[in-house]
Amino acid sequence: QIQLVQSGPELKKPGETVKISCKASGYTFTDYSMHWVKQAPGKGLKWMGWINTETGEPTYADDFKGRFAFSLETSASTAYLQINNLKNEDTATYFCARSLRLYYAMDYWGQGTSVTVSS
Amino acid sequence: DIQMTQSSSSFSVSLGDRVTITCKASEDIYNRLAWYQQKPGNAPRLLISGATSLETGVPSRFSGSGSGKDYTLSITSLQTEDVATYYCQQYWSTYTFGGGTKLEIK
Repeated sequence: QIQLVQSGPELKKPGETVKISCKASGYTFTDYSMHWVKQAPGKGLKWMGWINTETGEPTYADDFKGRFAFSLETSASTAYLQINNLKNEDTATYFCARSLRLYYAMDYWGQGTSVTVSS
Repeated sequence: DIQMTQSSSSFSVSLGDRVTITCKASEDIYNRLAWYQQKPGNAPRLLISGATSLETGVPSRFSGSGSGKDYTLSITSLQTEDVATYYCQQYWSTYTFGGGTKLEIK
């Protein structure tokens, strides 16, 4: 069955770096685009951007340009989200989600990874 | 950027009620509209895409309608398991989520 399994919760200090993984199974990884979505505590969903799993080219939403990086390990069917120079406002749950291609709905989601940034 | 507005952030409903959740885009999104259900502690679940197409496995009491800038998610005869937060999302021009509508039982 199709699954997106994310790495476990993270507790980090301001200024540190975190890298979250999203391992796909049950489908051909490069047939679907991968998105990242942020949900701050008690808040709604915010699209962070997507990565083309065929080319590895990332595209970032305006609010997520600079400290955020999407990458792939295609041989392992895994996508990564790295956040550099963590800030308190990065405290959130981060989801990966796939879509058939850009401008399609997100039909499968990872379970989410909680990132807490606190000194 | 396209903005998505869900007019109600929450409302109280009774089991068995018909529920209608509305979503308005800041411009025409040509039916590129999805609805997601999220229960506490869980990932969102895709219910409807293309404004009206029910995903496999989603109960038929859920339906979507609308066009242009205005869209609706309807739930006939609300069940306990439908208590959740519902988000609309446009995917005509990048992606934008609405703010969410939380259903609570009266």
